[in-house]
Amino acid sequence: RKEVEQDPGPFNVPEGATVAFNCTYSNSASQSFFWYRQDCRKEPKLLMSVYSSGNEDGRFTAQLNRASQYISLLIRDSKLSDSATYLCVVNLSGATNKLIFGTGTLLAVQP
Amino acid sequence: GAVVSQHPSRVICKSGTSVKIECRSLDFQATTMFWYRQFPKQSLMLMATSNEGSKATYEQGVEKDKFLINHASLTLSTLTVTSAHPEDSSFYICSRDGLYNEQFFGPGTRLTVL
Repeated sequence: RKEVEQDPGPFNVPEGATVAFNCTYSNSASQSFFWYRQDCRKEPKLLMSVYSSGNEDGRFTAQLNRASQYISLLIRDSKLSDSATYLCVVNLSGATNKLIFGTGTLLAVQP
Repeated sequence: GAVVSQHPSRVICKSGTSVKIECRSLDFQATTMFWYRQFPKQSLMLMATSNEGSKATYEQGVEKDKFLINHASLTLSTLTVTSAHPEDSSFYICSRDGLYNEQFFGPGTRLTVL
């Protein structure tokens, strides 16, 4: 079983749609959780951290369920510029700040 | 703005040559930096953790004699791919820690070995 699992997609949605991505992680000792965005042939960029209480940043909402080891990202009112690969990332923390990446979910927003 | 830079952004080299990639933390002294590799359509895989003033910590399966890491200052870590072969062709990305366990990534170096 992969440490961080995501549906690879692609998700093809029209502009203005709401789209949700899910992610599960296997290590219950994981401490920190993030969503990164990666554009084609570019480096990952931090989209948002994910907190237990859930958090929102504009059109983006992230949720964490520690009991189910499940993380989600909701994008409302999709824009063309949202087209990218969204990476679910888990940090084991502790002695080493080690990030574990999912393979990513590809989003294509269509005009 | 960018907080981590990498140089070069792209390298094409012949098999058997060595390639050095530089990673700089621009805004923050970094005692620890990280080196990742990403093959097409795959996720980022941590290769090693670069420690300022001491030896790097390599992940299982990564050959330390092939991927030489030097972290001689608080703002610079280098990765040298020695005797590169076509199977080493990949996207190499470095990162440094943020304040809340996140990491910030450099723009990456695309290595093509002919």
